[in-house]
Amino acid sequence: AQSVSQHNHHVILSEAASLELGCNYSYGGTVNLFWYVQYPGQHLQLLLKYFSGDPLVKGIKGFEAEFIKSKFSFNLRKPSVQWSDTAEYFCAVKVGGGADGLTFGKGTHLIIQP
Amino acid sequence: EADIYQTPRYLVIGTGKKITLECSQTMGHDKMYWYQQDPGMELHLIHYSYGVNSTEKGDLSSESTVSRIRTEHFPLTLESARPSHTSQYLCASRETGAMYEQYFGPGTRLTVT
Repeated sequence: AQSVSQHNHHVILSEAASLELGCNYSYGGTVNLFWYVQYPGQHLQLLLKYFSGDPLVKGIKGFEAEFIKSKFSFNLRKPSVQWSDTAEYFCAVKVGGGADGLTFGKGTHLIIQP
Repeated sequence: EADIYQTPRYLVIGTGKKITLECSQTMGHDKMYWYQQDPGMELHLIHYSYGVNSTEKGDLSSESTVSRIRTEHFPLTLESARPSHTSQYLCASRETGAMYEQYFGPGTRLTVT
């Protein structure tokens, strides 16, 4: 069965620092990849997604992610974080076939200090 | 406003009780999902539905059951709650052909004592 690994469970950064959150998945076939974010007290919402084409995808609020097929990775980046980026970030994958749902990582709790 | 709703948001209940967690969406989506999430852990798919009268079990085995009598409504039922059912339950939906972009509700945090 496929799995998703997020390497950092807790990350603390200062405002204006650069961010990179790691995500690796274990599946050799075609995948669709997602990053979701959950701000305090809010629903999970989609940050960005990759289906095909340009491996560098841009999402909302200045986030981007790069799909590197050879490394089975889909790392999330932001060049300069803000206090409002404090949230829980989840990487997810949809593989071809199987149950019609997403496989999620355990999440990364990001805290931005002003 | 198009949205996805879950009630109750928090529930504390005793062992052996029957409970139903409600999920409704106003977006007209055919596909709906239930995920279970323990604290600090991944979301796990426990049920999904392709449309009215369609229900399937997900990757994680669950003692809960679901029904889909109306497009907008996808309730989850536990016939006899146990402490092992304590968790957060998240409902989601998506359009058919929307390349798996799912929209999530706020979740129900269930505690069984």
